[in-house]
Amino acid sequence: QKEVEQNSGPLSVPEGAIASLNCTYSDRGSQSFFWYRQYSGKSPELIMSIYSNGDKEDGRFTAQLNKASQYVSLLIRDSQPSDSATYLCAPEGNGNNRLAFGKGNQVVVIP
Amino acid sequence: DGGITQSPKYLFRKEGQNVTLSCEQNLNHDAMYWYRQDPGQGLRLIYYSQIVNDFQKGDIAEGYSVSREKKESFPLTVTSAQKNPTAFYLCASSQGSGLEQFFGPGTRLTVL
Repeated sequence: QKEVEQNSGPLSVPEGAIASLNCTYSDRGSQSFFWYRQYSGKSPELIMSIYSNGDKEDGRFTAQLNKASQYVSLLIRDSQPSDSATYLCAPEGNGNNRLAFGKGNQVVVIP
Repeated sequence: DGGITQSPKYLFRKEGQNVTLSCEQNLNHDAMYWYRQDPGQGLRLIYYSQIVNDFQKGDIAEGYSVSREKKESFPLTVTSAQKNPTAFYLCASSQGSGLEQFFGPGTRLTVL
């Protein structure tokens, strides 16, 4: 069983629409969850962190966490061409100071 | 201006050579990490260090070595024992367990 699974295939969304990215994880002890954005050829950039069940909003980004279902998602509202990137989901292991990364969701925003 | 620096940006290595990748941070973070990223793959943890003079193997430590003699520095050596070293190497740091990790710009290593 893979530790972190993200939706397969690139996600194409029209400019101004909502992009929805999903992530499931296997470690029930995970307490901290992070979303990174990675542009092609660049290093990952932290965009959201979430620690408690529910929603957390930061600008156009909303992270949603459901620990019982082992599910974390990221919504990008009013998508812009600059949001075109790969988004990496990274839960932390059970207090072990290690992140487990998914393969990422590629988002393409079409003007 | 706080941050994480990695050097060099690009590195070419001949087969059989050892090379050392530099990672420095001035964020006063306790923990530092090395990851490897291959095309179409997620990041895989090579080594990490939670405190000076201590480090632990990650998931793919074979063929790599590290040292943590100073809080701000965590160099990675890719040895000739690493069979497929061509990859994008990323260094990260964090204040501690459960907290955000921040990444340097990366080093792209190519074996000729």
